[in-house]
Amino acid sequence: KNEVEQSPQNLTAQEGEFITINCSYSVGISALHWLQQHPGGGIVSLFMLSSGKKKHGRLIATINIQEKHSSLHITASHPRDSAVYICAAIYTGNQFYFGTGTSLTVIP
Amino acid sequence: NAGVMQNPRHLVRRRGQEARLRCSPMKGHSHVYWYRQLPEEGLKFMVYLQKENIIDESGMPKERFSAEFPKEGPSILRIQQVVRGDSAAYFCASSQLGLAGRIIEETQYFGPGTRLLVL
Repeated sequence: KNEVEQSPQNLTAQEGEFITINCSYSVGISALHWLQQHPGGGIVSLFMLSSGKKKHGRLIATINIQEKHSSLHITASHPRDSAVYICAAIYTGNQFYFGTGTSLTVIP
Repeated sequence: NAGVMQNPRHLVRRRGQEARLRCSPMKGHSHVYWYRQLPEEGLKFMVYLQKENIIDESGMPKERFSAEFPKEGPSILRIQQVVRGDSAAYFCASSQLGLAGRIIEETQYFGPGTRLLVL
């Protein structure tokens, strides 16, 4: 079954904290996609990766193929990082399966 | 370079009417993906199209829903005889190279979504 599980479901952090959001998936993915959905509903693609690690500003995404696990890290979190973070596994055959999202609130 | 455009942004329909949602991909992108987000639920993949071709429609409901991406013009997601359960946010995304069964780390660019409300 092509499930994608995210944890935690909700996360509250103080400004400046280091944040980690986890995503687990089952076998057979071609790539994993991290998305950010703003409170207004807009969606931004953060990373798509199939191996290793990617960094963009304060955001870092890693993927461990053997463990079938990916993490999204936010360093020096800021209230503007408050959003829902969604991981999506892309399985062979171009099928996307989304996690239920992690709702992040960063308090000043 | 304009981003992915969707229109209308909000659409209200009565049960039984048709809904047409449009998505104009970014310039130079020939791959379009449609997703649906039901209230209080996560995103779900619906369909992946390339110009004039449906690549994968495994996430589309079998009845009443159809999608196209003609050679010219936007991609259209069409819902016939809408029901209340179709009320959702419909997002499209586009990419330049697409998946084509390969491992590819190309970013998808999302549109702002169309919020459909069926009364």
